[in-house]
Amino acid sequence: DTAVSQTPKYLVTQMGNDKSIKCEQNLGHDTMYWYKQDSKKFLKIMFSYNNKELIINETVPNRFSPKSPDKAHLNLHINSLELGDSAVYFCASSQGTGGNSPLHFGNGTRLTVT
Amino acid sequence: DAKTTQPPSMDCAEGRAANLPCNHSTISGNEYVYWYRQIHSQGPQYIIHGLKNNETNEMASLIITEDRKSSTLILPHATLRDTAVYYCIVRAAGGSGNTGKLIFGQGTTLQVKP
Repeated sequence: DTAVSQTPKYLVTQMGNDKSIKCEQNLGHDTMYWYKQDSKKFLKIMFSYNNKELIINETVPNRFSPKSPDKAHLNLHINSLELGDSAVYFCASSQGTGGNSPLHFGNGTRLTVT
Repeated sequence: DAKTTQPPSMDCAEGRAANLPCNHSTISGNEYVYWYRQIHSQGPQYIIHGLKNNETNEMASLIITEDRKSSTLILPHATLRDTAVYYCIVRAAGGSGNTGKLIFGQGTTLQVKP
């Protein structure tokens, strides 16, 4: 069983479209994250939810809207896609936000905007 | 969050121990040292973490100096599959308004050679 699963694995779309990426974790964790890895391979945190409440929002454009329907799911909706949104998006989860709780990552969604 | 410094790249012979250094001279007393790796654009994989004491698990050992200003990740018998980017991260304890973010740097690219 995959602990943190993301769908789709690949997403190719045109500029201006709206798309969603889904994430589910079966680890029983209460905290979930979205990270973005750009073409330079730099991993940057975007959002974090703890018990369905937003706790981290790293000045991401408001075209990006995360939604957490329950503790096991964190989806990412992106409006009006731009070329610069092309990247690999990783979902992660942890139990709490404490420093002693490792994050577990999914295998990513590769988004290509043309 | 304290910053870490890692060499950009290292080589290791297959079957030998890989010792990856990390400097974190500004680490605070409640910050953990984490190690992750990323194999060819897969999701970051948790390896090990520690606060003050040395730690060992089935993947690796983590040696933290007594002053906590540096650490070394040891892969005891490197294999070709250990070729990856290794990230050393200092993570706040979380709680009391601290989100315990995991902030990735550039990491060390470890190349294991036959």
